[in-house]
Amino acid sequence: QQQVKQSPQSLIVQKGGISIINCAYENTAFDYFPWYQQFPGKGPALLIAIRPDVSEKKEGRFTISFNKSAKQFSLHIMDSQPGDSATYFCAALNQAGTALIFGKGTTLSVSS
Amino acid sequence: GAGVSQSPSNKVTEKGKDVELRCDPISGHTALYWYRQSLGQGLEFLIYFQGNSAPDKSGLPSDRFSAERTGGSVSTLTIQRTQQEDSAVYLCASSSQGGRYEQYFGPGTRLTVT
Repeated sequence: QQQVKQSPQSLIVQKGGISIINCAYENTAFDYFPWYQQFPGKGPALLIAIRPDVSEKKEGRFTISFNKSAKQFSLHIMDSQPGDSATYFCAALNQAGTALIFGKGTTLSVSS
Repeated sequence: GAGVSQSPSNKVTEKGKDVELRCDPISGHTALYWYRQSLGQGLEFLIYFQGNSAPDKSGLPSDRFSAERTGGSVSTLTIQRTQQEDSAVYLCASSSQGGRYEQYFGPGTRLTVT
């Protein structure tokens, strides 16, 4: 009930392509779903976040799609660039509102 | 302004020793979090402080782990009698209010227990 499952574990995309990372959760009480980007040696940084009252949120090249009935959400990176090469984590805010529950992460490599 | 800072950036200690890790949150942020990042377990929540409320300690893995936050600002995570499985990157984050607000992460402290 407290898990967030993320796939794939790693992803290789050509420059200009679309990167898609998927996450699923069990607890219907979760109501805040952020995506974090992490570069080696740095802490995670918020990329984009969504609440379950909307089905999609777009910021620049990054889009979250949210399917409340399926308890799934995904990150789409359009026109992927080498600078997007990083590890991406999906997360959900726990029921108490005190902590993020993270997926295991996806290592994205964008080849030029 | 300055982001979340953590010290030391790296710490190597012998098994059985105690260690203290420090976090300076963003000024004015009332919420502070500790997470642990390891290869096998990903990012795991440890503890949450919010203002003067009792902390949420539900993520602490054992009673060897403790944390305090003094004056609503700086926080220290203490690990007693360190074990090799404690080796990980310990990340601190802060947010302006509670968990539904953006959490800003520090660069982490890499702890290696030999």
